[in-house]
Amino acid sequence: GDSVTQMEGPVTLSEEAFLTINCTYTATGYPSLFWYVQYPGEGLQLLLKATKADDKGSNKGFEATYRKETTSFHLEKGSVQVSDSAVYFCALSPLDQTGANNLFFGTGTRLTVIP
Amino acid sequence: DAGVIQSPRHEVTEMGQEVTLRCKPISGHDYLFWYRQTMMRGLELLIYFNNNVPIDDSGMPEDRFSAKMPNASFSTLKIQPSEPRDSAVYFCASSSRTPTQYFGPGTRLTVL
Repeated sequence: GDSVTQMEGPVTLSEEAFLTINCTYTATGYPSLFWYVQYPGEGLQLLLKATKADDKGSNKGFEATYRKETTSFHLEKGSVQVSDSAVYFCALSPLDQTGANNLFFGTGTRLTVIP
Repeated sequence: DAGVIQSPRHEVTEMGQEVTLRCKPISGHDYLFWYRQTMMRGLELLIYFNNNVPIDDSGMPEDRFSAKMPNASFSTLKIQPSEPRDSAVYFCASSSRTPTQYFGPGTRLTVL
C-alpha cells in the first residue's frame, strides 16, 4: 500500500547550519508529495508540495525535489534559524480515480535549532 | 479569510463522560478529515467525509467514537464513554478538489 518513511528524529542543529530531512515513499502511480510543519501548540501547516516528477517545491527557504527514480522527497534548507524549530511531516496523496484527497503522513521529525 | 475552526481548544473530562469536539471547515471545501495525534502513535486518520457523507471510517478506534457532518459547515466527533487512553490532540482538516489539506489548531483532550 501507499506509505511514507521519513528520517527518525530528533534533529538538533546550530543556527545557520544546513538541514536535510530524508523522506522516501511507496506508491503506485504518480502521487503528489508534501511537507507539512507543526509549530509548538499549533496544527499542521503546508510548507511546500510537488505534484509530479522533477518538480521542486519551495517556501520560506525550504526546498524539496520530487525524485521518481529514487522515490524520494528530501527536505533541505541552507541556513536554519531558531524559528524553524518545529516538527516536520512528509506526506503523500495517491493518485486516486475516485478523487479522494486522503494523505498518508510520515511519523514526523522534530527539529531543534539552537542559537 | 477564516481557516478551519475547532472548539473547544482544550477539554478536560473524567472517564466515562461524553465528549463532543466541533469543527467548522473552510467555506467551499467539500472534504473534511478528523485526525488524532499522540506521542505513541503519531498522526492517525480517524474518518473523512466528502460532501457531508462519511467515506472511510476505518480509522475510528471503536464503537465509542462517532462522527457526523450534518451540513457543509459543521462536523462533530463524539466519544462516549471517554477513557484515559483517548487523551490526545484531535485535529480537523478540510480540502477542496486538490490534495492539499488545511488543518485547524486542534483540540487537546485530557481524560482523567
